[in-house]
Amino acid sequence: GAGVSQSPSNKVTEKGKDVELRCDPISGHTALYWYRQSLGQGLEFLIYFQGNSAPDKSGLPSDRFSAERTGGSVSTLTIQRTQQEDSAVYLCASSSDPHRALRDTGELFFGEGSRLTVL
Amino acid sequence: AQSVAQPEDQVNVAEGNPLTVKCTYSVSGNPYLFWYVQYPNRGLQFLLKYITGDNLVKGSYGFEAEFNKSQTSFHLKKPSALVSDSALYFCAVRDFFTGGGNKLTFGTGTQLKVEL
Repeated sequence: GAGVSQSPSNKVTEKGKDVELRCDPISGHTALYWYRQSLGQGLEFLIYFQGNSAPDKSGLPSDRFSAERTGGSVSTLTIQRTQQEDSAVYLCASSSDPHRALRDTGELFFGEGSRLTVL
Repeated sequence: AQSVAQPEDQVNVAEGNPLTVKCTYSVSGNPYLFWYVQYPNRGLQFLLKYITGDNLVKGSYGFEAEFNKSQTSFHLKKPSALVSDSALYFCAVRDFFTGGGNKLTFGTGTQLKVEL
């Protein structure tokens, strides 16, 4: 597609349920990032995928959070046994080779986010 | 570790007046610095970056930012604000040379409100 696509745009769930959030990056982008945006907390890095390398999971807040990227394209962020503090907007971004992109264009392309509300 | 601070949660300015949104950074190496803007219910959009070279960088929509190494700052500026500039602004940093990874570290954001 023309841009980064995320689904669902809004998700309301009950505490304890599992949720899956999907990100479809820009075609050809090798790098994919997940961030979480909570009110007053800025953007919190969650996880980063680059090509076939092992993902950087250093930002995942607990073992209830996991993400995978199949075939180097679409990514799914899974939150198990959701808690109220998981309520946030989950943003996905993609870029071409990060060394080249951040040096030459500086640009991550963001999707519009998935707003998660845990009741 | 790399970090950025945006000391103001909100900045109010009258249309036509100059605006400044502040950002300071902390890295152990040389920083790559960025500004992004977020309009309501939208994703983040890239505005401008500093990698190396001229300390004054120009970006989209008439915005510019000045890199000041001695003050570890990268303030966003615009000579004449527009109501349509009202949005949430994020500063971000990547510490390229000390293996900060390929992730950007973002500040908490500054809400800019431009009034008539």
